[in-house]
Amino acid sequence: GDSVTQMEGPVTLSEEAFLTINCTYTATGYPSLFWYVQYPGEGLQLLLKATKADDKGSNKGFEATYRKETTSFHLEKGSVQVSDSAVYFCALSPGEKLVFGQGTRLTINP
Amino acid sequence: GAVVSQHPSWVICKSGTSVKIECRSLDFQATTMFWYRQFPKQSLMLMATSNEGSKATYEQGVEKDKFLINHASLTLSTLTVTSAHPEDSSFYICSAPRRGLRETQYFGPGTRLLVL
Repeated sequence: GDSVTQMEGPVTLSEEAFLTINCTYTATGYPSLFWYVQYPGEGLQLLLKATKADDKGSNKGFEATYRKETTSFHLEKGSVQVSDSAVYFCALSPGEKLVFGQGTRLTINP
Repeated sequence: GAVVSQHPSWVICKSGTSVKIECRSLDFQATTMFWYRQFPKQSLMLMATSNEGSKATYEQGVEKDKFLINHASLTLSTLTVTSAHPEDSSFYICSAPRRGLRETQYFGPGTRLLVL
């Protein structure tokens, strides 16, 4: 079945560092790919998404490119801030249902 | 923007009792809602799809008699954990897709259940 594997955390970085959180997937067909973020005490929020191969999703300085050849959707940000501290989930959706990775906890120190 | 709420946010109950969790879409109608379960340091696992006007659809391995789902209205779905046991202790999250030009799925803040 469909599955998502993402980089294990926790990840701790200093402010302004470069961030990469790896995400690879297994799916039949051509799913949409997502990154969700969960800030402390809040529900999951959509960070960005891509619906077809080579699409790049971007939001709040974060980017991820749908790579069909490597079945990947790695999340990147050039300069992280303390406010980016959260848990990040990679997910895929063949339809309306979502299949999530295990989540990566990110902590940014000032 | 669109918001999905859950109530309660925290519940502690004795083993053998039943617990009801509500999921509401606050400013849009949702004919479909999803219920997830999240174990500590693990991913969200889809439990079931709640359908307004029809029976819920359960994922493989989820006991439908254990986890009763009722989509009472276009803005409310409830999950009842019946005869709860300590192994049911978990974080339960609901989501609702908002259909439109930019279909997006909105998540509730979650309900933490502790069964003693």
